[in-house]
Amino acid sequence: DQQVKQNSPSLSVQEGRISILNCDYTNSMFDYFLWYKKYPAEGPTFLISISSIKDKNEDGRFTVFLNKSAKHLSLHIVPSQPGDSAVYFCAASGAGTASKLTFGTGTRLQVTL
Amino acid sequence: DSGVTQTPKHLITATGQRVTLRCSPRSGDLSVYWYQQSLDQGLQFLIQYYNGEERAKGNILERFSAQQFPDLHSELNLSSLELGDSALYFCASSGGIPGFSEAFFGQGTRLTVV
Repeated sequence: DQQVKQNSPSLSVQEGRISILNCDYTNSMFDYFLWYKKYPAEGPTFLISISSIKDKNEDGRFTVFLNKSAKHLSLHIVPSQPGDSAVYFCAASGAGTASKLTFGTGTRLQVTL
Repeated sequence: DSGVTQTPKHLITATGQRVTLRCSPRSGDLSVYWYQQSLDQGLQFLIQYYNGEERAKGNILERFSAQQFPDLHSELNLSSLELGDSALYFCASSGGIPGFSEAFFGQGTRLTVV
């Protein structure tokens, strides 16, 4: 049962353009959503998060949008840079004592010159 | 550097053997999580400990077990290893209060079962 889904396994974007990575979830108990970036042979690195009480959170070139009614979130990267090429994982967590992170399967972003 | 330390970085062992993976969380973090990533797939949650006690369990096989010690480091024990257990095993830690807290990951242990 995949509670967090990233339906696009890969995405290719030109440098300078916007990258939009999408994530859907099924569990309405999720309260906190995160994006992680992963380079090969390294551990995932936290990128940005959003609480369910917000619909947008921005940090520099990265913006996460949350649509609770649609159970959908997206990560926008503007402008995209070659160094952004990595695998991006969406993750979700419920509030309370069992705050484990449930991850999506990842989207491989390639930013081309 | 995330502050989470995993040892060893690489491990090669034979089928049927037993191995122990070690994780030292960030200073002050009480929660430790273990994840498995096979063949460039997603991160599968295995188990979470919070201040020495098991807090949540995911798709962890019975052949696998974990514990968190009083100094908060954690070990993941994998026994009767099979070829399919070859994967990257990540440890992550997060802050004291369960809930809205991002997890920081170690560099992972790459396990190869031959």
